[in-house]
Amino acid sequence: NAGVTQTPKFRILKIGQSMTLQCAQDMNHNYMYWYRQDPGMGLKLIYYSVGAGITDKGEVPNGYNVSRSTTEDFPLRLELAAPSQTSVYFCASSQGQVRYGYTFGSGTRLTVV
Amino acid sequence: DAKTTQPTSMDCAEGRAANLPCNHSTISGNEYVYWYRQIHSQGPQYIIHGLKNNETNEMASLIITEDRKSSTLILPHATLRDTAVYYCIVHSANQAGTALIFGKGTTLSVSS
Repeated sequence: NAGVTQTPKFRILKIGQSMTLQCAQDMNHNYMYWYRQDPGMGLKLIYYSVGAGITDKGEVPNGYNVSRSTTEDFPLRLELAAPSQTSVYFCASSQGQVRYGYTFGSGTRLTVV
Repeated sequence: DAKTTQPTSMDCAEGRAANLPCNHSTISGNEYVYWYRQIHSQGPQYIIHGLKNNETNEMASLIITEDRKSSTLILPHATLRDTAVYYCIVHSANQAGTALIFGKGTTLSVSS
């Protein structure tokens, strides 16, 4: 049981480049989330999804886009990367019920230079 | 706006109980208290949650005051591997489609 898988683990981008951070879960969870974590800070919610075809903005959505075409996958797209997007990105999923917690991936460490 | 207040850091000796406090004075009746922890560079890990009764699982115990305005996470016998940032979060079970909001948490350092 792999849980939540994020790829890549590390990436260096140049300013203005674009990339997609991949997130996949094999637990048949309807709810999926993207967070970013800057050094020494807590997690900030970027986007989330309550099911295939449904996405919504979180606290810090600017500069990002998401899609949810399947239950398993929730990719995060960065267009025109900026140094302010240097961060660690975590994907998570949940069954959406209170008694179940979130399962997080191991993160993608992104540096924009 | 932060719904919880936690100390920035705490120290604990290995083998002793670690008691991590959290204030949530504006908690509403349908909001649960969740605890997560994040070991260095890893994704956060769910620990426990509760509504108004005390809860215990294999990882920790959660004590919620009768007025629900504060709670304490207890790690009964802390080990070096419990060194992590601990997040206290309040979230409504009725907020379908919303997500947990993380603050800065408490950095717990366990030493031998």
